[in-house]
Amino acid sequence: EDKVVQSPLSLVVHEGDTVTLNCSYEVTNFRSLLWYKQEKKAPTFLFMLTSSGIEKKSGRLSSILDKKELFSILNITATQTGDSAIYLCAVPGGTSYGKLTFGQGTILTVHP
Amino acid sequence: DAGVIQSPRHEVTEMGQEVTLRCKPISGHNSLFWYRQTMMRGLELLIYFNNNVPIDDSGMPEDRFSAKMPNASFSTLKIQPSEPRDSAVYFCASSHGQGGQPQHFGDGTRLSIL
Repeated sequence: EDKVVQSPLSLVVHEGDTVTLNCSYEVTNFRSLLWYKQEKKAPTFLFMLTSSGIEKKSGRLSSILDKKELFSILNITATQTGDSAIYLCAVPGGTSYGKLTFGQGTILTVHP
Repeated sequence: DAGVIQSPRHEVTEMGQEVTLRCKPISGHNSLFWYRQTMMRGLELLIYFNNNVPIDDSGMPEDRFSAKMPNASFSTLKIQPSEPRDSAVYFCASSHGQGGQPQHFGDGTRLSIL
């Protein structure tokens, strides 16, 4: 069975701090790993990673994948209160490719 | 461009009643997904369609749940009869292809069964 585990489950920081969110996975026939941000409503897509060691970056957010050690990290630098959200990691199924298995999420709270 | 559109946004009903949730995917997307999100279990895939055909319904909890996709622009998720443990936020998402491409989510339906 495919498995995605995120850590920490929750994190409280102050504006300006840098945070690192972790995602480890077990899936047969790995294809990609996706990061989503969920605020009050729907998860919104952040990154899709397919290759080890290649950093994806968008503003203050960046992410990298390690296919050998089966994990990914999401970094947020100079955090702002608007970064407060649940960050979800997901991998497509090994045999049922459309089936995303999500981690339980990391709840990030950024205080002013 | 319009995103994934779900209706209703909120539904409150008594146990035993039939509940129908609706979804319009993004035009041109050929995969559609129904998810359920609760505090206890997180985000779980219930069923997904590719080209209007159900591909994987292994996440559908029991026979009280059914989903249809009569055409490329519309899908329904039905619960009959509903139970209090069905209370959750139900999301619909769509994507191109079925190979783990990014999925775009609707705003969800918050369902409360009393």
